[in-house]
Parts: sequence; structure tokens; C-alpha cells
Amino acid sequence: DAKTTQPTSMDCAEGRAANLPCNHSTISGNEYVYWYRQIHSQGPQYIIHGLKNNETNEMASLIITEDRKSSTLILPHATLRDTAVYYCIVRSLRSTNAGKSTFGDGTTLTVKP
Amino acid sequence: GAGVSQSPRYKVAKRGQDVALRCDPISGHVSLFWYQQALGQGPEFLTYFQNEAQLDKSGLPSDRFFAERPEGSVSTLKIQRTQQEDSAVYLCASSQPLQGVGEKLFFGSGTQLSVL
Repeated sequence: DAKTTQPTSMDCAEGRAANLPCNHSTISGNEYVYWYRQIHSQGPQYIIHGLKNNETNEMASLIITEDRKSSTLILPHATLRDTAVYYCIVRSLRSTNAGKSTFGDGTTLTVKP
Repeated sequence: GAGVSQSPRYKVAKRGQDVALRCDPISGHVSLFWYQQALGQGPEFLTYFQNEAQLDKSGLPSDRFFAERPEGSVSTLKIQRTQQEDSAVYLCASSQPLQGVGEKLFFGSGTQLSVL
């Protein structure tokens, strides 16, 4: 799986949009971009994923650049409960390595009142 | 059940003791994963099962670590002769692969292992 690079930490004001960047310049054509977040003392929680098109769900939006070398997770109206560590991972579904995901250390997002 | 269940939630072991950590995946999920998470770091892959078959165990740090999933549902991660460096949160995740549309991992809350 390709490696990802994320900023160590970010702050966001409550009610504003949080834009979390991720660089995955070595991504290959069959690898998806996934975002998870982990709130203290809990397991990671799936947020969203995409292959090449932008995606939106009830939690967030995912913007993937045309060359697929980077992406941005957007939380449109951040709340205090969105304070967490956010992980961007790339993951291949080829049968030989479908199980392995490299999480890295993620971005610690702090939403401030 | 409604989600991935792990037990015990906390485990304290004396150095040299054997421990067994249990994971109950979401019913019907084919894939099961174990991760190790040290304090302040992201989860590190340990091993992966598809049904009862262990397809990848490349992340297991030593031969003291052993995982099984004999009937393709519940899984156990066993650590023999525990060492202080084994202290971490052990996370289990399960998923149901959907061909062509990606795959979501559902994580349990983890077992926090402390080796004294």
C-alpha cells in the first residue's frame, strides 16, 4: 500500500469547515483513499472512501485531485465532538495484500469553541 | 451483534505470562484484522484472516504472537511470555469486502494490555 503524509495537528473553530489534507503521491491505480478517525479510547471509525471521484456522505466530503496524488477531507460544520485523530490511508483490494493498511500517525484535529 | 466486540477491555499481565485476547466480529463478516497501537501512534497491522484462513501474518512482531480463527468467526490473539514492549492497545476489525466499491473496516474498542 502507498504511504500517506498528513500534518501532525490542526485547529478549527466550532461551526467552521475543517479541511484536512493528505498526500499520497505514490498511489497506484487500484488503490482507494480511505479516511478514518479515532476518538480517545475508542477504535477507529470509518468516515468515507473514494477511488477517483469526489465523494460525500452524511459525515464528510472527500475531494481527490485529478492526478490522485492528494486528497482533502472536509467536515463542513465542525463540532467539539469532531475532535479526534484523523487517519488517511490508501488500500489496495488485490487479494494478496487486501488486509494490510498503513495508518501512519494521522492528524490530530482540535475543534475549539 | 451490533458491532465488533473485544474482550477483555483491559488486561494486566506479569512479564512472562501468557495472554489471550478475544475478538467477536460483526456476524457474517468474512475478513478479520488485528492491529497493535502503541501510545500516541497509529494502528500497526499484525495479521489478517479471510474466513478461517490466515492470509497475512507479516505484521506479527515475533513468534510469541499467534492468532487463530478456527471456525471463521471469533478470533483469538495469543501472546506467549509477554514482555514490557508488548504493552499496547490491540485492535480488532472486521469487514465484508464489496467487489469494486471498496471496503469499510469496523473496529472494536480494543484491549489495553499492560505488562508489568
